[in-house]
Amino acid sequence: GAVVSQHPSWVICKSGTSVKIECRSLDFQATTMFWYRQFPKQSLMLMATSNEGSKATYEQGVEKDKFLINHASLTLSTLTVTSAHPEDSSFYICSATEGAGRRETQYFGPGTRLLVL
Amino acid sequence: GQQLNQSPQSMFIQEGEDVSMNCTSSSIFNTWLWYKQDPGEGPVLLIALYKAGELTSNGRLTAQFGITRKDSFLNISASIPSDVGIYFCAGQLTGAQKLVFGQGTRLTINP
Repeated sequence: GAVVSQHPSWVICKSGTSVKIECRSLDFQATTMFWYRQFPKQSLMLMATSNEGSKATYEQGVEKDKFLINHASLTLSTLTVTSAHPEDSSFYICSATEGAGRRETQYFGPGTRLLVL
Repeated sequence: GQQLNQSPQSMFIQEGEDVSMNCTSSSIFNTWLWYKQDPGEGPVLLIALYKAGELTSNGRLTAQFGITRKDSFLNISASIPSDVGIYFCAGQLTGAQKLVFGQGTRLTINP
């Protein structure tokens, strides 16, 4: 149980285009999903917290107009990188929360590698 | 912001050896989680700890939630080649949804 998928697993795009990444909880409903970015040999950096049916909460320094997050259902959140540029190239990972209260656990997707040319 | 100090940053061991890593913080955490990440993949949950003093095992892995709620350790016994990877601790503050991550421990095993 507690499987999270991401699609696509990797994407190459031209500078200026927009890229959408999907995150799905396959066998549970997730009220809350998170989007992270990871640079080589570094820890995960939280970008935003996505709650179903409401606007995402972005971390300081993350441009909400650049990284559009939609959490339209309890099993799907999407991250759209708008007008992507080479500096947006990175490994993007989502997670979904299962459980509630003191027994919440985050399960991660397999990640999406984005390369902007 | 909140930080977790994870150590060691890297470990080079022989196959069959035991491994120990830990995370400490100046803040009190409600939950401690340990993840393993292989290259090019997302972190995989190894052990979740929800109660101070809790000691939990998952096969050759054992983790404990420190009694002060400010630290946690992960032990791996009798390491094998597939244990290679980066291990992250993560803590959840009371009332917070998001996790705070350690810097990671990179484990390398010499055959």
